Amino acid sequence: AQSVTQLGSHVSVSEGALVLLRCNYSSSVPPYLFWYVQYPNQGLQLLLKYTSAATLVKGINGFEAEFKKSETSFHLTKPSAHMSDAAEYFCAVSPRGGTGFQKLVFGTGTRLLVSP
Amino acid sequence: DTEVTQTPKHLVMGMTNKKSLKCEQHMGHRAMYWYKQKAKKPPELMFVYSYEKLSINESVPSRFSPECPNSSLLNLHLHALQPEDSALYLCASSRGAGAGEREQYFGPGTRLTVT
Repeated sequence: AQSVTQLGSHVSVSEGALVLLRCNYSSSVPPYLFWYVQYPNQGLQLLLKYTSAATLVKGINGFEAEFKKSETSFHLTKPSAHMSDAAEYFCAVSPRGGTGFQKLVFGTGTRLLVSP
Repeated sequence: DTEVTQTPKHLVMGMTNKKSLKCEQHMGHRAMYWYKQKAKKPPELMFVYSYEKLSINESVPSRFSPECPNSSLLNLHLHALQPEDSALYLCASSRGAGAGEREQYFGPGTRLTVT
């Protein structure tokens, strides 16, 4: 079964510093990969997705993620953190191919804290 | 337009009440989902509708009853809930359930409190 691991339940950065949130998946066939952001008391917003067209994926709000098959990783980065980036971030995977419905499997989430 | 709307935003109900949560999307998506999210946890899938038919029920208690009146609307009927059912209920939709169609768009959620 597909699974996804997010290392670090909390990540703290200073405003202007690099943001790096880690995500590793477990499957022999690279799945579809997604990053979602959730602000307090709101729903999830899709930041970016990997579908195989390009290994470096650019998303909204200046975020990007790089798919590395050899490392089974899809880490999320942003060059310069802003206070408004403070939120919960979820990595999610969906199997590629297969018949019938395939669930979106979420990681446990990483809370990003940004200090002035 | 990638908007999924949910009403109400907040709901407080007693254990003997009957209430409904509503979800609407106008993106032409044919798959719609209900999730339950407890604090500091990822969303947990409850139900999936694909082409207005219930495709997945993740062993959800019968006090939760989903309904899909048409391709744009999804309801979740609530009856005799327990305090542990208090959570954020999220609705989502995707173009379909097949490969390449599974990108899900989420609504803002309904914060449910059961007293």
